[in-house]
Order: sequence, then C-alpha cells, then structure tokens
Amino acid sequence: GNSVTQMEGPVTLSEEAFLTINCTYTATGYPSLFWYVQYPGEGLQLLLKATKADDKGSNKGFEATYRKETTSFHLEKGSVQVSDSAVYFCALSDRWGAAGNKLTFGGGTRVLVKP
Amino acid sequence: DAGVTQSPTHLIKTRGQQVTLRCSPKSGHDTVSWYQQALGQGPQFIFQYYEEEERQRGNFPDRFSGHQFPNYSSELNVNALLLGDSALYLCASSLDGQGVNTGELFFGEGSRLTVL
Repeated sequence: GNSVTQMEGPVTLSEEAFLTINCTYTATGYPSLFWYVQYPGEGLQLLLKATKADDKGSNKGFEATYRKETTSFHLEKGSVQVSDSAVYFCALSDRWGAAGNKLTFGGGTRVLVKP
Repeated sequence: DAGVTQSPTHLIKTRGQQVTLRCSPKSGHDTVSWYQQALGQGPQFIFQYYEEEERQRGNFPDRFSGHQFPNYSSELNVNALLLGDSALYLCASSLDGQGVNTGELFFGEGSRLTVL
C-alpha cells in the first residue's frame, strides 16, 4: 500500500535560517504529492503540490520538487520567519484526475522558528 | 465564504459510549472525507462520502460509520468507544463529483474526542 515517511521533529531554527524537511514515499503508479501545513489552532491547509515527475511546487517561499527516481518530495525554504512555526505534513494521492481524492499522510514535522 | 465547519470542537466520552461528530463542507463542495489524527501523528483516512454514499473506506472497523445528507453535510458515528479512539477527527471537503479533481482538500479545525 501507499506510505509516506518524513523526518521527525521538532526542528528548531533561528529566523532567516534555511529549512529542509525530508519526505519519501512508496506508492503504486504515479501519485500526486502535497505538503500541508497546520498552524497552531488552525486546520490543515494546502501549502503546495506537484502532480508529475520533475514538477516543482512553490508557495509562500517554500518549494518542493517531485523526484521520481528517489521517490522524494523534500520541502525547502531559504529564509524562515517566526510565522513559519507550524507542523508540516507530506502527503500523496494516487487518484489525481479521478473522483475520490484520498490522501496518505506522513507523521508530520513540527518546526519552531525562534527570533 | 464559510470554510469547513465541524462540531463539537471538544468532547469527552467514556468507554462503550457512542459519539456523533458533524461537518459542513465548504460552500460548493460535494464530497466529504473524514480523517483520524492521533496525538503526534499524521491524519489517517477513515472514509469518504459522495452523493450520500460511502465511496471509499480506510482500515477502520465497522464501529466507525457515517452519513451524508442531501445538503452535502456529513456525520461521523463511532460506537462502543475504546480508549484508543481518543484523537482529533478531521473533516475535509472537496469538489470532485464531476471528476474535476484538483487534489486539494479543505480541512476543518477538527473535533477533539477524549475517551475515558
């Protein structure tokens, strides 16, 4: 079955530091890949996505590239802010374009950015 | 535009009891999915409803059941509660009834269930 593995946290950084959160996946076929973010006291929200190999998703300064050869979708940001403190979830869906989108999530990585 | 709303936000039950959680999808969405998020873990798919029927189901026992109403809102029911059912239950909505699947789910803030 499908699975997603991401690095465990917490990850503690200083403001303006570089952030990388590793994510690898196991899936049949060609899944779509996502990063969701959960800010304190809020629901999960989509951060970025990529639907095919070599696609790069980007949003709010975050980027992730769909690497089929390494089955990875690592999240990066060049200069983090205190407001980026949140829990980040890597996820996949194998039903792109078809009805019934179902996500398989990783365990989440808590990121804490200190001023 | 109201997003996904869930109720109640918190509740406490005892083992063996039954619970009903409610979800109103984002305006214009026709599909509702439910996820269970245990403390410190990622959400796990329970099931999905479309056109008032269960379309997909994850690895959860029959104690977990649901319903979708004609206005697309949904309920999650859990019978014979166990301590291990304590978790944050997330509702997510999407518009893919016409096969237009953007891959994005919109999540509510969840209902936190504690079983004592």
